[in-house]
Amino acid sequence: GQSLEQPSEVTAVEGAIVQINCTYQTSGFYGLSWYQQHDGGAPTFLSYNALDGLEETGRFSSFLSRSDSYGYLLLQELQMKDSASYFCAVRGGSTLGRLYFGRGTQLTVWP
Amino acid sequence: SQTIHQWPATLVQPVGSPLSLECTVEGTSNPNLYWYRQAAGRGLQLLFYSVGIGQISSEVPQNLSASRPQDRQFILSSKKLLLSDSGFYLCAWGDSMNTEAFFGQGTRLTVV
Repeated sequence: GQSLEQPSEVTAVEGAIVQINCTYQTSGFYGLSWYQQHDGGAPTFLSYNALDGLEETGRFSSFLSRSDSYGYLLLQELQMKDSASYFCAVRGGSTLGRLYFGRGTQLTVWP
Repeated sequence: SQTIHQWPATLVQPVGSPLSLECTVEGTSNPNLYWYRQAAGRGLQLLFYSVGIGQISSEVPQNLSASRPQDRQFILSSKKLLLSDSGFYLCAWGDSMNTEAFFGQGTRLTVV
């Protein structure tokens, strides 16, 4: 089966940097994704890592270590609009790689 | 461009009543399709996954079922709803590599 662990809540102030960690266990691994979900809305894609290392997209970066079954999302220069839930998702399982999500981390950014 | 439509946005149904939620995708062919359920303040639970017409994989045993009668149509059904079926149901599609999933706006189901 698949399991993903991430912190339930993180708080930070505007302008700060925050890191959201994710550890996973899966039978078959193809990549780790991150999604953002604002209250009442649909999740939206942020990043995808298939190989070890850091991927940078603007203020957001995502890291993967396959040997440690670990990844993180790094959010820099936090803004109030970044307050949302953040989910890590593992592409794993069958050879076609279904997407399994963690329970999400609620990020609250304070002024 | 690709779009995904999911309806209705909100639904209140009595216990024991049937359910049918529909999802359609435009602008792409042969997408991988997903149904997820999200309980309040919780993560996304994968319910069903489909790689083609009539091909459905069930992830969690429950009183829900899914069908894919056409390439870009995915339907979630139940013959008799339970209180525990309440939640936020999300349809999503992914390309053949499943590197990114695109979600519909979801249906908030309340079973009373």
